[in-house]
Amino acid sequence: AQKVTQAQTEISVVEKEDVTLDCVYETRDTTYYLFWYKQPPSGELVFLIRRNSFDEQNEISGRYSWNFQKSTSSFNFTITASQVVDSAVYFCALSEESDDYKLSFGAGTTVTVRA
Amino acid sequence: DTGVSQNPRHKITKRGQNVTFRCDPISEHNRLYWYRQTLGQGPEFLTYFQNEAQLEKSRLLSDRFSAERPKGSFSTLEIQRTEQGDSAMYLCASSLGGRSGNQPQHFGDGTRLSIL
Repeated sequence: AQKVTQAQTEISVVEKEDVTLDCVYETRDTTYYLFWYKQPPSGELVFLIRRNSFDEQNEISGRYSWNFQKSTSSFNFTITASQVVDSAVYFCALSEESDDYKLSFGAGTTVTVRA
Repeated sequence: DTGVSQNPRHKITKRGQNVTFRCDPISEHNRLYWYRQTLGQGPEFLTYFQNEAQLEKSRLLSDRFSAERPKGSFSTLEIQRTEQGDSAMYLCASSLGGRSGNQPQHFGDGTRLSIL
């Protein structure tokens, strides 16, 4: 069974628009971590953020913000005032204590920001 | 911190040949992971090491695949008798792990394998 679901396959926006990427996860663990990674066309996966299951506080980092809601098993990611350089594939991932914290990735959402 | 280094970046080979990829992790990281990523999908876990010990191999990893990390530093992933279905991006990641094995994994640029 898929542990991480990213329902949006592709999103296309015009520069300066906001973009929200959805991520829904499934786990029976009480201790787990959620991640977002960015994969630009060059191919390298770039770590963006990690949240643990005990900290539901939302986080903002520059133009990026994350909304973690355990009640809906969601960890959504918003890019505010998008830029062309934000164009990439974004992956949500889950690591569970029972699985020795190996990463399970969603299928990714391709974001295209047009000038 | 020079990051995770993988080579080669690209490998093109004929079906049936053997290939070997190398990964150099971030120097202080004791955990090293291999993932495979096919087009339009997220990375899938293959195997991982803590120091030189291989802790787990995914069911995705057939007997034709073998990975080593002989001195707990760099790692190699070998595929014997390659098949068309082996065409993918092979990603390596490293992290600090163990008792609190929750540190972020940092990824290399990957090795793209194409089987002719």
